[in-house]
Amino acid sequence: GNSVTQMEGPVTLSEEAFLTINCTYTATGYPSLFWYVQYPGEGLQLLLKATKADDKGSNKGFEATYRKETTSFHLEKGSVQVSDSAVYFCAFTGTASKLTFGTGTRLQVTL
Amino acid sequence: EAGVTQSPTHLIKTRGQQATLRCSPISGHTSVYWYQQALGLGLQFLLWYDEGEERNRGNFPPRFSGRQFPNYSSELNVNALELEDSALYLCASSPWEGPGPQHFGDGTRLSIL
Repeated sequence: GNSVTQMEGPVTLSEEAFLTINCTYTATGYPSLFWYVQYPGEGLQLLLKATKADDKGSNKGFEATYRKETTSFHLEKGSVQVSDSAVYFCAFTGTASKLTFGTGTRLQVTL
Repeated sequence: EAGVTQSPTHLIKTRGQQATLRCSPISGHTSVYWYQQALGLGLQFLLWYDEGEERNRGNFPPRFSGRQFPNYSSELNVNALELEDSALYLCASSPWEGPGPQHFGDGTRLSIL
């Protein structure tokens, strides 16, 4: 069935380190892919999206490329900040419009 | 532009009671989605409403129900509350049905005592 697999956290990095959070999906058809971020006590914020193969979504220094051949959508950032500490969710929508989420990856950035 | 708004922020109930959660979508959005974020269970899709109709339903019992009003706002009702219903309930909206991004509110924290 449809699912999203994310790397387990927590991920702990020093400020200015490089970030990669892996995400792979299993879906029928041609899903749209998303990364959402959840800060403590808040709802989900859309971070970036990609709607077709080879699209690169980017926002606030974060990037992810839609790789259909590997069914992946890995999140990267070249230099993380303390303010990036949050939980990151990879997700997709297919023909049923509902979002299918990964389990989330907690990122903790320290000085 | 106002975002998705949910009320109340927190709701405390006891087992067997009924809870009503409310959601106002972004202006111009016709689709409303409900998700449950329970500890250890991740984010689970509950319900999708578009143009006043229930379009899709997740794997939840019938005591989870809802509706969408003509102004596109929505209610989620949970009857016969159980302890495991304790969770953050998130509402999202999108401008039309289809695989576009959904925009989320801050959620209602439902606690069952």
